[in-house]
Amino acid sequence: DVKVTQSSRYLVKRTGEKVFLECVQDMDHENMFWYRQDPGLGLRLIYFSYDVKMKEKGDIPEGYSVSREKKERFSLILESASTNQTSMYLCASSLGTGNTEAFFGQGTRLTVV
Amino acid sequence: QKEVEQNSGPLSVPEGAIASLNCTYSDRGSQSFFWYRQYSGKSPELIMSIYSNGDKEDGRFTAQLNKASQYVSLLIRDSQPSDSATYLCAVSYSSASKIIFGSGTRLSIRP
Repeated sequence: DVKVTQSSRYLVKRTGEKVFLECVQDMDHENMFWYRQDPGLGLRLIYFSYDVKMKEKGDIPEGYSVSREKKERFSLILESASTNQTSMYLCASSLGTGNTEAFFGQGTRLTVV
Repeated sequence: QKEVEQNSGPLSVPEGAIASLNCTYSDRGSQSFFWYRQYSGKSPELIMSIYSNGDKEDGRFTAQLNKASQYVSLLIRDSQPSDSATYLCAVSYSSASKIIFGSGTRLSIRP
């Protein structure tokens, strides 16, 4: 089974802090994704990566950056956390060839105070 | 215009009936289509994937794709209370591309 693991289930940070959300997958997937989920808005793509050191902006990249130094790990960085970044963050990965369905981690509920 | 559109619901269906969930997408180049189920407080889990026009059946679930109409649907037969969840439609352009989700339809199965 594919396993996607996010480093924290719950996180509380202060406004202005630099925040790192970590995600690791163990199935040698090429693609990795970061989404945020807010009530009534569904899953919105922040960034995705299709290879090591490669990344593309999603629909809402402002205020975020990402890092993928190793194939199995994809980090989301909030450069200066703000209250409007309080949300559920979901990491996902997909194989990248053939079947392309995404598998999700358990999510990180981030609260910025 | 949103790339993937779903009716937010809630859709209420009696137990044992057929639940029909619909989704439209805007990018004609889209190649892969997915239905995910998400229980409250949990992550989305894949139910069905479909890549070509027509129907695809898996147990009580049937996915239908019509690329000409840019329309994908999910039918749930013999609906059970455990089917009560939010159903997310997702679309991808290629195997190396982003996956875009709709906002989800909340389904409630009433006993």
